[in-house]
Amino acid sequence: GENVEQHPSTLSVQEGDSAVIKCTYSDSASNYFPWYKQELGKRPQLIIDIRSNVGEKKDQRIAVTLNKTAKHFSLHITETQPEDSAVYFCAAVYSGGGADGLTFGKGTHLIIQP
Amino acid sequence: DARVTQTPRHKVTEMGQEVTMRCQPILGHNTVFWYRQTMMQGLELLAYFRNRAPLDDSGMPKDRFSAEMPDATLATLKIQPSEPRDSAVYFCASGAVGVTFQETQYFGPGTRLLVL
Repeated sequence: GENVEQHPSTLSVQEGDSAVIKCTYSDSASNYFPWYKQELGKRPQLIIDIRSNVGEKKDQRIAVTLNKTAKHFSLHITETQPEDSAVYFCAAVYSGGGADGLTFGKGTHLIIQP
Repeated sequence: DARVTQTPRHKVTEMGQEVTMRCQPILGHNTVFWYRQTMMQGLELLAYFRNRAPLDDSGMPKDRFSAEMPDATLATLKIQPSEPRDSAVYFCASGAVGVTFQETQYFGPGTRLLVL
């Protein structure tokens, strides 16, 4: 089955700086890679996703890159703000076009220092 | 704003008791997932259903856990008998399969279970 490794487990950055979280996956068949943000005591919420036919995707201050050859993908957050503080999870799955069971990384606790 | 709902939100029970968690997926979604979140293991897929049929329950301990979808608007996860190691947050999520790519899963608020 799929295995997803996520690094770092904790990341502390100054407000306004950039943050990068990296994930690797094991199953070359995986073709869908979402990122979820989870605030303390809340549900995970999708912030961005990417499919394997795309190398990069951007949504305002958030971007995701995918390297299929190396089997790794990364989340980039620019101009970090206090509200970006949360735990971020990457995930991977082979999807036939619909929702399928995700394999998650262990999460990264992002701390934005004022 | 359609959302996945779960009940109960919190449950404290004693070891050996039966626990039933319920989930109402977003109307029109035909795929329902159960995930468990713990500090040690993170988010793990337990089981999921498509059009009410179980697709994969390989992540679920079969001897004490069972998952069902009595109808399209209700999914249940049952633990009998419960053990302290079952203490976790149990999330339900729903998604769709259609003619266009629709991989997004929407999570419910979770049931926080504590087994004493």
